[in-house]
Amino acid sequence: RKEVEQDPGPFNVPEGATVAFNCTYSNSASQSFFWYRQDCRKEPKLLMSVYSSGNEDGRFTAQLNRASQYISLLIRDSKLSDSATYLCVVKSPGSSASKIIFGSGTRLSIRP
Amino acid sequence: ETGVTQTPRHLVMGMTNKKSLKCEQHLGHNAMYWYKQSAKKPLELMFVYSLEERVENNSVPSRFSPECPNSSHLFLHLHTLQPEDSALYLCASSQSTLAGDEQFFGPGTRLTVL
Repeated sequence: RKEVEQDPGPFNVPEGATVAFNCTYSNSASQSFFWYRQDCRKEPKLLMSVYSSGNEDGRFTAQLNRASQYISLLIRDSKLSDSATYLCVVKSPGSSASKIIFGSGTRLSIRP
Repeated sequence: ETGVTQTPRHLVMGMTNKKSLKCEQHLGHNAMYWYKQSAKKPLELMFVYSLEERVENNSVPSRFSPECPNSSHLFLHLHTLQPEDSALYLCASSQSTLAGDEQFFGPGTRLTVL
């Protein structure tokens, strides 16, 4: 089983739709969770951190379910500019630095 | 310039060449990272430096040699690479290596090995 798994997609949804995707992780000792966004041929950029109580930033909501070991990202009222690959990042304790694992990403395409 | 910068942005090299990738961060961070991103694969963490000391080396072949002369600069020296090393090499920095710290990425160097 991969340490961090994401549905690769692509998710193809109409503008204005709500879309959600999950990311599962295998290490129960994982401490920190993030969603990054990566546009085609660009570097990843932080979208939001994921907090235990869940958090919202505008149209984006992130949730953490420690019992089932997954995080989720919900995008409401999707825009054309939301088209990108969404990467989930999980950090776990390491011997000298946090262990950082990226998911392979979920591709999202918003159509007019 | 602000953020994390990388040079060159594109590099084509033969298997017998020696080249270096450069990364510079202007954020006052103490940790820097090299990642490899191959097509259809997740980002792979290669090296981590904290306060100019290497703290992680994730089983990377010796043909990749990192160097961190100070907390703002990170190099990746390349020699006798293989075609399968062709990928996007991303540098990142963060305030520290603590779990909660966000990483900021540079634009990457797209490397092609012929």
